[in-house]
Amino acid sequence: DAKTTQPPSMDCAEGRAANLPCNHSTISGNEYVYWYRQIHSQGPQYIIHGLKNNETNEMASLIITEDRKSSTLILPHATLRDTAVYYCIVRDAGGTSYGKLTFGQGTILTVHP
Amino acid sequence: DTAVSQTPKYLVTQMGNDKSIKCEQNLGHDTMYWYKQDSKKFLKIMFSYNNKELIINETVPNRFSPKSPDKAHLNLHINSLELGDSAVYFCASSQPGGYGYTFGSGTRLTVV
Repeated sequence: DAKTTQPPSMDCAEGRAANLPCNHSTISGNEYVYWYRQIHSQGPQYIIHGLKNNETNEMASLIITEDRKSSTLILPHATLRDTAVYYCIVRDAGGTSYGKLTFGQGTILTVHP
Repeated sequence: DTAVSQTPKYLVTQMGNDKSIKCEQNLGHDTMYWYKQDSKKFLKIMFSYNNKELIINETVPNRFSPKSPDKAHLNLHINSLELGDSAVYFCASSQPGGYGYTFGSGTRLTVV
């Protein structure tokens, strides 16, 4: 699976959009971009994933650049409960990795009142 | 109903003891996993089972032995516990290929 690079920490004001970047310059054509988050002491939680088109769900939006070498997770209206470590993971969804998730250090997002 | 449940939530034990952590999922997933999160917060996969068959076995000491009695259960037995085994262990499950990944709430193991 391709490696990802994320900033170690970011701050955001409550109610504002949080934009979390991720670089994955070695991504290959069959690899998806996944985002998970881990709220303190809890298990990681799936947020969103995409291949090349932008995606949106009830939690967030995922913007993937045209060359697929980077992406941005957008939390449109951050709340204090969104304070967590956010992980960007690139993996082959076709099964060769047998579902293995390779976590990096992630980005610690702190949402301030 | 909790989708992926682990027991116990906390486990404190002495060096040299043998302990087990249990995991059950009610999502109907075929694949289950064990992950370890150490004190530096790195999350790393240990094992993966698909329909009771071991398919991922990362470089983990032989003292760790997973057992899957059926596809809804994946237990982790640890022999001769060492201080370095102290960590939070997460169980997870997914559909084949990693779809619908769901983690449990973790078991915090402390070896003293």
